[in-house]
Amino acid sequence: NAGVTQTPKFRVLKTGQSMTLLCAQDMNHEYMYWYRQDPGMGLRLIHYSVGEGTTAKGEVPDGYNVSRLKKQNFLLGLESAAPSQTSVYFCASSSPTGTGELFFGEGSRLTVL
Amino acid sequence: TQLLEQSPQFLSIQEGENLTVYCNSSSVFSSLQWYRQEPGEGPVLLVTVVTGGEVKKLKRLTFQFGDARKDSSLHITAAQPGDTGLYLCAGVEYGNKLVFGAGTILRVKS
Repeated sequence: NAGVTQTPKFRVLKTGQSMTLLCAQDMNHEYMYWYRQDPGMGLRLIHYSVGEGTTAKGEVPDGYNVSRLKKQNFLLGLESAAPSQTSVYFCASSSPTGTGELFFGEGSRLTVL
Repeated sequence: TQLLEQSPQFLSIQEGENLTVYCNSSSVFSSLQWYRQEPGEGPVLLVTVVTGGEVKKLKRLTFQFGDARKDSSLHITAAQPGDTGLYLCAGVEYGNKLVFGAGTILRVKS
């Protein structure tokens, strides 16, 4: 059972380049999230989705875009990468019922030079 | 968005010692979760506490939710090297959004 899968695991970009991170979940969850994790700052919510075709801004959305064209996939895009976007990115999913447990992927480490 | 303060930020102890990690907020949460994260992995849920004053035990780990549902603590008895990791608390706001604390890095030396 794969759970939540993120690709790629590692990426190095130059300032101004664009890229897309892909998240796929096989648990039929309605909700999906993108977080970034930086030392001493915990996990900060970038964007989230409560269902196919819907997205919403989180705590730190600037410089990122997302799309949820299929229920199982949630894409995070950086149109023009900046060094401040160097971070570890985590995708998570959850069900709207129950206690709200998040199931996380293994993370994608992005470095912007 | 509500803020969740977690302390201490870093803890290095010897195997066999006890420790407590704290998670505090000035706001009320509908529930509170504790996650553990190992290097190179995503966080994994340890427990969810829902009721004010609730205490849950998971082997050597004891979780408590404050009476007013604003704070929580994680106590580990007789820590072992396998307990090493990053511990994150997350408050669940009404509407199911999570607010994470900054985390506590625990290192248990043998």
